[in-house]
Amino acid sequence: QVQLVESGGGVVQPGRSLRLSCAASGFTFSDFGIHWVRQAPGKGLEWVAVISYDGGSRFYSDSVKGRFTVSRDNSKNTVDLQMNSLRPDDTAVYFCARDASVVAVVSYPAYWGQGTLVTVSS
Amino acid sequence: DIQMTQSPSSLSASVGDRVTITCQASQGVSNYLNWYQQKPGKAPKLLIYDVSNLETGVPSRFSGSGSGTDFTFTISSLQPEDIATYYCQQYDDLVALTFGGGTKVEIK
Repeated sequence: QVQLVESGGGVVQPGRSLRLSCAASGFTFSDFGIHWVRQAPGKGLEWVAVISYDGGSRFYSDSVKGRFTVSRDNSKNTVDLQMNSLRPDDTAVYFCARDASVVAVVSYPAYWGQGTLVTVSS
Repeated sequence: DIQMTQSPSSLSASVGDRVTITCQASQGVSNYLNWYQQKPGKAPKLLIYDVSNLETGVPSRFSGSGSGTDFTFTISSLQPEDIATYYCQQYDDLVALTFGGGTKVEIK
């Protein structure tokens, strides 16, 4: 079955960088886009970024554009989220999620990992 | 970005009650509207896609309807295992997916 496992979370100081990773299994990884969605403590869901199945298209929310970069390695079945210039309001659980549509630019998150917590604090 | 407004933000109902949640988009989203369930400490789970289509394995007591800017999510007979927060989400704007603020459902 579809499995997504996030890693790389932790405590980081404001202004520093952190790299999250999402390892996928149970499906043909190179056929699907991957989303990142975050949830601040006690708050709702916020879409962060998406990368298409082939890496050719990448989209970001305005709140992270220019600071975060999403990439993928289809030979390793992994997607990374490089987060630079982190701010306290980036504190959240970060989920990766597989897109619903096969070999499409993107559509919507259908299968989710369990998330990894990022805390930005001095 | 398209804003999604959910109401109510929370509700309390008895087992067996019919529960309805509404979601309004700031502009038309065609039928690109989904509903997710999130139980405490867990990842969100897709329940309904494209307004009214149940994801495989989702009980038939869950349903969705609507079009354009106004959408409704219904639990026909609330069960104890339905305690969760429910989110609507639009993907009409593929470069800026947005979620509603969530509706927390509790048992009275």
